[in-house]
Amino acid sequence: EVQLVESGGGLVQPGGSLRLSCAASGFTFSSYWMHWVRQAPGKGLVWVSRINSDGSSTSYADSVKGRFTISRDNAKNTLYLQMNSLRAEDTAVYYCARVPADVSNWNPEYFQHWGQGTLVTVSS
Amino acid sequence: DIVMTQSPDSLAVSLGERATINCKSSQSVLYSSNNKNYLAWYQQKPGQPPKLLIYWASTRESGVPDRFSGSGSGTDFTLTISSLQAEDVAVYYCQQYYSTLALTFGGGTKVEIK
Repeated sequence: EVQLVESGGGLVQPGGSLRLSCAASGFTFSSYWMHWVRQAPGKGLVWVSRINSDGSSTSYADSVKGRFTISRDNAKNTLYLQMNSLRAEDTAVYYCARVPADVSNWNPEYFQHWGQGTLVTVSS
Repeated sequence: DIVMTQSPDSLAVSLGERATINCKSSQSVLYSSNNKNYLAWYQQKPGQPPKLLIYWASTRESGVPDRFSGSGSGTDFTLTISSLQAEDVAVYYCQQYYSTLALTFGGGTKVEIK
């Protein structure tokens, strides 16, 4: 069974930093692209960042570019999101999500599996 | 970025009746080389993460009841719940994955029981 378990959320002051982790199990982590998606309280879903299977390629939403860094440790089956220069508008539940295997080379970046999420609150 | 617009924002449907949710993309999400629409639908219940229902616009994810169906092509898509059940009360989101520069979601549609 695929499991994604996020951790690292909490209360942080504006301008502060936080590192989120997502522990993966139940599948060959090193074979899959991984993503972070966030959801502000009472709001919709917003894609944040992606990383390819070996960690050599990353991309970000414009709203977090230059402040957030996605990474992974395939030996530890763990995905990370380093968040710096946090703002009030970064307050959200952060989900890690796995896309399906790209067996046909069609780039299917829909989210087949989600973690339960971790809440990040940026406030003074 | 491709903007995804859902309608309505909310709807109330009687148990056993049909619920229809619309999703419109600001540009086509149909990839001509494989004739696939890069469109997915999710269900999110309160306090839970989203759950994948439909991908490639009309392919039901394993384990999803067949009362859920997706249709449409190009820029206009529909999620239909053929016979609403109490457990279907949730917020539903569409998502395009055509543009890998930025994956985008619709604003969500809240489905309630009338």
